[in-house]
Amino acid sequence: QLHLQESGPGLAKPSETLSLNCSVSGASIVSPSYYWGWVRQSPEKGLEWIGNIYFSGVTDYSPSLKSRVTMSLDASRNMFFLTLTSVTAADTAVYFCARVRHAVAFDFWGQGIHVTVSS
Amino acid sequence: DIQMTQSPSSLSASVGDRITITCQASHDIINYLNWYQQKPGRAPKLLIYDTSILDAGVPSRFIGSGSGTLFTLTISSLQPEDFATYYCQQYRSFRSFGGGTRVAVK
Repeated sequence: QLHLQESGPGLAKPSETLSLNCSVSGASIVSPSYYWGWVRQSPEKGLEWIGNIYFSGVTDYSPSLKSRVTMSLDASRNMFFLTLTSVTAADTAVYFCARVRHAVAFDFWGQGIHVTVSS
Repeated sequence: DIQMTQSPSSLSASVGDRITITCQASHDIINYLNWYQQKPGRAPKLLIYDTSILDAGVPSRFIGSGSGTLFTLTISSLQPEDFATYYCQQYRSFRSFGGGTRVAVK
């Protein structure tokens, strides 16, 4: 049974760097058929795609966030990661990690982690 | 950027009703469209991919159609578990989601 679990701080200060982890169980992230992605959701912006990463390390980022986003993975721990720099209140959201079938369809999601950016 | 606009933003319906949700893309996305269902406090769930293909385990009352810039999600006979918010998502250029359509009990 595939399970994804986000972890990280629930609170970040403006201008800081936010780092989130996604732990995957029940399947290997080293899979040719799947990418792994991050999506966030806020009342203001709704669902917003952040980016995808392939097991080879190839990444694809949202143009609006590209300058602040880095995604990486650790196959030995079956985890992937999100780093978002220079956060502001506008980055307050629930952050979901997800498996991405053929890089296009988010077919399994974590439960989400709520992140608040506030001083 | 490709903008996705859903309508209506909300609707009220009864069990057994047939409902249709529309998703319009700002540019031609061919058939590169998915649909998701989200219930309060939960992550979205993939319902339909490639415009009209039901994901595994999704009931056949969910019907997706469309091409180009206009797409629809129809629920042929609404069931109690279908009251939720529905989102479209394009993958023609990067990825983006519609604003959602909340289906509430009349």
